[in-house]
Amino acid sequence: GAGVSQSPSNKVTEKGKDVELRCDPISGHTALYWYRQSLGQGLEFLIYFQGNSAPDKSGLPSDRFSAERTGGSVSTLTIQRTQQEDSAVYLCASSFNPSGANVLTFGAGSRLTVL
Amino acid sequence: GDSVTQMEGPVTLSEEACLTINCTYTATGYPSLFWYVQYPGEGLQLLLKATKADDKGSNKGFEATYRKETTSFHLEKGSVQVSDSAVYFCALSDQSGSRLTFGEGTQLTVNP
Repeated sequence: GAGVSQSPSNKVTEKGKDVELRCDPISGHTALYWYRQSLGQGLEFLIYFQGNSAPDKSGLPSDRFSAERTGGSVSTLTIQRTQQEDSAVYLCASSFNPSGANVLTFGAGSRLTVL
Repeated sequence: GDSVTQMEGPVTLSEEACLTINCTYTATGYPSLFWYVQYPGEGLQLLLKATKADDKGSNKGFEATYRKETTSFHLEKGSVQVSDSAVYFCALSDQSGSRLTFGEGTQLTVNP
């Protein structure tokens, strides 16, 4: 596609429920990243994919968080048993090829609210 | 680990004022440095970048110079416009490109 597409754009859920957030990167981009942006905070790295593998998942905050990527394209971030502190905007980004100078293209984000 | 520190905001300026947003970093090796901008209601987008010491990135009247001796990458603009109101993020990437480390972001408001 023309840009990085994320869905849903907004999700309100009850504490304890599971949620899935989807990211559709730019076609041909091999690298995919998930970040979290909490109110008044900077961007927190969650996980990085190169193709379908995740060489760096060190940013996932707990074992309730998991992510996968299939076909070198779409990625899903899953949060199990959501807590109120999970409320944030979840951003996905992709890039053509990972290198120090590469530019990430970000999606508009999925805003998650846990009641 | 790598880290980025930005000046605290928010910053409020009048139109045509000069802007400087300070950014310093801690990193091993030779990182690439970036400024990203998030306009109201929009996603993050690249504003400018520099990939080696003494490089100057520039775009839309904004400039930043990669200073290795002071580990800084300050964002400057000589005359801001109302349309520059946004949140600005300084960031660095290590040579592997496996992650971008961001600063806390600086909210800029420009009043007419």
